[in-house]
Amino acid sequence: GENVEQHPSTLSVQEGDSAVIKCTYSDSASNYFPWYKQELGKRPQLIIDIRSNVGEKKDQRIAVTLNKTAKHFSLHITETQPEDSAVYFCAASNGNQFYFGTGTSLTVIP
Amino acid sequence: GAVVSQHPSRVICKSGTSVKIECRSLDFQATTMFWYRQFPKQSLMLMATSNEGSKATYEQGVEKDKFLINHASLTLSTLTVTSAHPEDSSFYICSARDSTAEQFFGPGTRLTVL
Repeated sequence: GENVEQHPSTLSVQEGDSAVIKCTYSDSASNYFPWYKQELGKRPQLIIDIRSNVGEKKDQRIAVTLNKTAKHFSLHITETQPEDSAVYFCAASNGNQFYFGTGTSLTVIP
Repeated sequence: GAVVSQHPSRVICKSGTSVKIECRSLDFQATTMFWYRQFPKQSLMLMATSNEGSKATYEQGVEKDKFLINHASLTLSTLTVTSAHPEDSSFYICSARDSTAEQFFGPGTRLTVL
C-alpha cells in the first residue's frame, strides 16, 4: 500500500515568516494530494489540494508544489499568523483510499 | 463545502458492550466513505473504505469482525465497535468523498471504554 512520510513533526516560526512542510509518497498511482489543517479536538479541514497533472497551486498565502518524479510534495505558508497554528496533515490518494502523513504541529509565535 | 455529520460525538461504554457510530453526508451522495482512527497527537489511521452496497475494504491489521461497517445508502455508513475494550478508546472520524474525489470529514466521535 501507500506510505506517506511527513517532515518536520513540529515547526515553530515567528509571525510573518514562512513555513514549509514536506511529504513523500511511495505509490506512483497516487494522483491526488490534499493538505488538511486540524485544530485541537476538531475535524481536519481541507486547505489546499493538487492533482498529479499540476506542478504548483497557490491560494493566497498557501501554496503547494508537487514533484511526481521524486514523489514529493510540499506545503508553503507565507506571512504566517498566529491563527495558522494547528496540526497539518498531507495525504495521498490513488482515487480510492486516502493515506495520511504523520502530521506537523505548527506553532506561530506572535 | 459539503457537510458530513457524525453521531454520537462522545460515547462512554462499559467493556464488552458494542457501540454504533453513524456517519451521514447531508447534502451530497457519497459512494465512498472512509473510517479513520486517531490517537492523541497522532495522524489519522485509515481503518476501512466503505462503498455503498458492497462489503467494506479493511486495512491490514484491522479486524473486520470487531469493527463492523455497513454502508446501506449513499448518505449513511455505520461503524460498530463490537465487544469494546479499553484499548479501543480513541477518536473515530469518518469522511465521505464526493464526485470530485475531495473528501469531507465528520466531526469525529470520542469513544471511551471503561
